[in-house]
Amino acid sequence: AQTVTQSQPEMSVQEAETVTLSCTYDTSESNYYLFWYKQPPSRQMILVIRQEAYKQQNATENRFSVNFQKAAKSFSLKISDSQLGDTAMYFCALFSGGSNYKLTFGKGTLLTVNP
Amino acid sequence: DAGITQSPRHKVTETGTPVTLRCHQTENHRYMYWYRQDPGHGLRLIHYSYGVKDTDKGEVSDGYSVSRSKTEDFLLTLESATSSQTSVYFCAISADSWGPNQPQHFGDGTRLSIL
Repeated sequence: AQTVTQSQPEMSVQEAETVTLSCTYDTSESNYYLFWYKQPPSRQMILVIRQEAYKQQNATENRFSVNFQKAAKSFSLKISDSQLGDTAMYFCALFSGGSNYKLTFGKGTLLTVNP
Repeated sequence: DAGITQSPRHKVTETGTPVTLRCHQTENHRYMYWYRQDPGHGLRLIHYSYGVKDTDKGEVSDGYSVSRSKTEDFLLTLESATSSQTSVYFCAISADSWGPNQPQHFGDGTRLSIL
């Protein structure tokens, strides 16, 4: 079975500062994909960024970047220049193949950006 | 944004009544999914479909059934609703099951309260 663990239930950051959200995972598959989803108060699930396990380069999308440590099975999300609109629940998710064609989500981290 | 519509958006019903939630997509995607979201659990897969009339169970399928008679529609039914099924339900779609074509795109969710 694959698992995703987000150890920080809640975090806060001041506007314009940088924050890092942690995620660790476990899978027996060698080929897999990792995702960060954002869920603002509107309840929409929005893809923030994705990482393919066989790519060593860390993914970046504007102010969002990841630190992918494959050996440590760690996949953290860094948000630079935090904005009020970044306030949301953030979910880390793992997709791997084999007989387990599904996304497994972590329990989420509630991020609050303070003015 | 992916064309996914969930209906109803909110529903309150009583224990023991049948409930059907509908997911409608305009993207012609093959895969459709139903998740439930509960505090402290993230998103958990209930059932998914990989084609018309082709469905399979997820990790929390007990008490739920699904049907897919057309590519665009995926129905989730609670035959006899229980209070433990009070949750927010999300539908998601993807072009296929494999990683590059994840992420899944999510609907706006249905808040279901069972009294």
